[in-house]
Amino acid sequence: DAGVIQSPRHEVTEMGQEVTLRCKPISGHDYLFWYRQTMMRGLELLIYFNNNVPIDDSGMPEDRFSAKMPNASFSTLKIQPSEPRDSAVYFCASSLLPETGELFFGEGSRLTVL
Amino acid sequence: DAKTTQPPSMDCAEGRAANLPCNHSTISGNEYVYWYRQIHSQGPQYIIHGLKNNETNEMASLIITEDRKSSTLILPHATLRDTAVYYCIVRVGTSYDKVIFGPGTSLSVIP
Repeated sequence: DAGVIQSPRHEVTEMGQEVTLRCKPISGHDYLFWYRQTMMRGLELLIYFNNNVPIDDSGMPEDRFSAKMPNASFSTLKIQPSEPRDSAVYFCASSLLPETGELFFGEGSRLTVL
Repeated sequence: DAKTTQPPSMDCAEGRAANLPCNHSTISGNEYVYWYRQIHSQGPQYIIHGLKNNETNEMASLIITEDRKSSTLILPHATLRDTAVYYCIVRVGTSYDKVIFGPGTSLSVIP
């Protein structure tokens, strides 16, 4: 089975531009997570969805960040406008049920905002 | 804030057992202990989890103390490919609320 698929793997953009990161979770998984990783702050949970519904977005840093999950097989994380401090690796993860505990992570999208 | 405390770094000789400790003194009765690892530039990978009893799978063993305030992840025969950051996490098994990755332990396996 294919794992969690993220795109793009690398993105370089200029400050002020809109950035859209994409994630395809593992088929059948009910939960989807967006994490951000930086050297300074480590892995931070931004938001997670259950059955396409956002459950907790308290980790979203600012209104410039938004996430959607229009269907069970696709999610986006959008930053508009982007700033240099948004530079990080953004990971998407999915899980079948909370009880199993196992999060399956994608390979990440490395974002650089100049 | 993370609910766990881990040493920032450890070394282990190749072929020897790597024992990675984790302190979770405030763990609640319904919280599980999970371990993940992250090999450089890759996404974190699940290793093992447990509630009260010791657990073993093809990757590692998890030893949880009787009072559940600490645990140890054991990699029985460490290889160079086990060099990674290891994260210990506690969370309620039926909820993903506040699943937080702390800084973890950076394990270096030495040839």
